[in-house]
Amino acid sequence: QVQLQASGPGLVKPSETLSLTCTVSGGSISSYYWSWIRQPPGKGLEWIGYIFYSGSTKYNPSLKSRVTISLHTSKNQFSLTLSSVTAADTAVYYCAWVGDNHAFDLWGQGTMVTVSS
Amino acid sequence: QSVLTQPPSVSAAPGQRVTISCSGSSSNIGNDYVSWYQQLPGTAPKLLIYENKKRPSDIPDRFSASKSGTSATLDITGLQTGDEADYYCGTWDSSLSAAVFGGGTQLTVL
Repeated sequence: QVQLQASGPGLVKPSETLSLTCTVSGGSISSYYWSWIRQPPGKGLEWIGYIFYSGSTKYNPSLKSRVTISLHTSKNQFSLTLSSVTAADTAVYYCAWVGDNHAFDLWGQGTMVTVSS
Repeated sequence: QSVLTQPPSVSAAPGQRVTISCSGSSSNIGNDYVSWYQQLPGTAPKLLIYENKKRPSDIPDRFSASKSGTSATLDITGLQTGDEADYYCGTWDSSLSAAVFGGGTQLTVL
């Protein structure tokens, strides 16, 4: 059974770069789409972007200038970097798998990131 | 302000039925599949419905959904206290070229 686990620093300073990794177990990352979604405290879901197993990417236009999603096939991981962070980027960050059914099939447990000095 | 519009909250008694609406436009719901997610308190969202009305194998048939034009609905029958959660609709928006979600609906089972 495929499982996803997001990990990374829980605290990032303003203007710095947020970096998170999602480790995929029980399945290969060499297929389908892999995505990042975030949820500010007490608020709704915001799609950040996805990467296809071929390496092609698609980002939310509102974040595009600051976001990079990369695939690390040998480690069965994919990652998120978000540059020039502000307090508005404080959120729980989820990694998710997008399968054949046009939906976010499986989600990781999420990792809380706080932007504060 | 979310691209898809959901009521902030709904409530009903155990055993009853509740409907959650999701309203969009021709560039999102009217143009692509809708999915629904259940987020229990303190947990990650879980896929509840995909491709407008299909259920993953582990989701009971008390949960059903439909889509018509630029709107979608999620129906939950035989409400249980364990159904108390936030429910989100989602789809792809071709104008924004982005996946979009509704603002979420908090379900209270009284």
